[in-house]
Amino acid sequence: AQTVTQSQPEMSVQEAETVTLSCTYDTSENNYYLFWYKQPPSRQMILVIRQEAYKQQNATENRFSVNFQKAAKSFSLKISDSQLGDTAMYFCAFMKSLADKLIFGTGTRLQVFP
Amino acid sequence: DAGVTQSPTHLIKTRGQQVTLRCSPKSGHDTVSWYQQALGQGPQFIFQYYEEEERQRGNFPDRFSGHQFPNYSSELNVNALLLGDSALYLCASSSRLAGGHHTGELFFGEGSRLTVL
Repeated sequence: AQTVTQSQPEMSVQEAETVTLSCTYDTSENNYYLFWYKQPPSRQMILVIRQEAYKQQNATENRFSVNFQKAAKSFSLKISDSQLGDTAMYFCAFMKSLADKLIFGTGTRLQVFP
Repeated sequence: DAGVTQSPTHLIKTRGQQVTLRCSPKSGHDTVSWYQQALGQGPQFIFQYYEEEERQRGNFPDRFSGHQFPNYSSELNVNALLLGDSALYLCASSSRLAGGHHTGELFFGEGSRLTVL
């Protein structure tokens, strides 16, 4: 069975600084998909970034980028130029195939301070 | 374009009662998945529906059941409520490509907060 571990329950960062959220996962699959989702106080889960395991290049979306280390089963999220609106819970998630369910980690609460 | 809508947003029930939660998927989406998110935890997969059938199921008891209607909307039913069923219930919708392949891009609603007393 696949598992996703987020070892940082809480993180904080000052506005305009950079922060990295950690995620490790366990799977015996060779092809799979990894995601970071953001859940602000409004509760709606919003997709931040997605990585296909067969792609060696790390995904980037504006200020968000990932460091995908397949051999180490590590998938960290880097947020550059942090903004107050980035304050939220961040969940790392694994999907075995595009028809499959999402398996979430326990989340990291990120607080961005002015 | 309306996203995923869920109702009700909040509800309170007592142990042993039954509850029905509703979800309308994003326009153009035909697949609906339900997740349970306990306080301070990540969401846990309950089940997935498309073509009006349950396609996958997570590790939840039979007290949790669902339905998908011809217009792709969905209901989650929970019978014989327990205190431990208190959680945020999230609905996520997605679409399939012309060949029936899933896109893997899930859009979530804001959830229904269920409190069981």
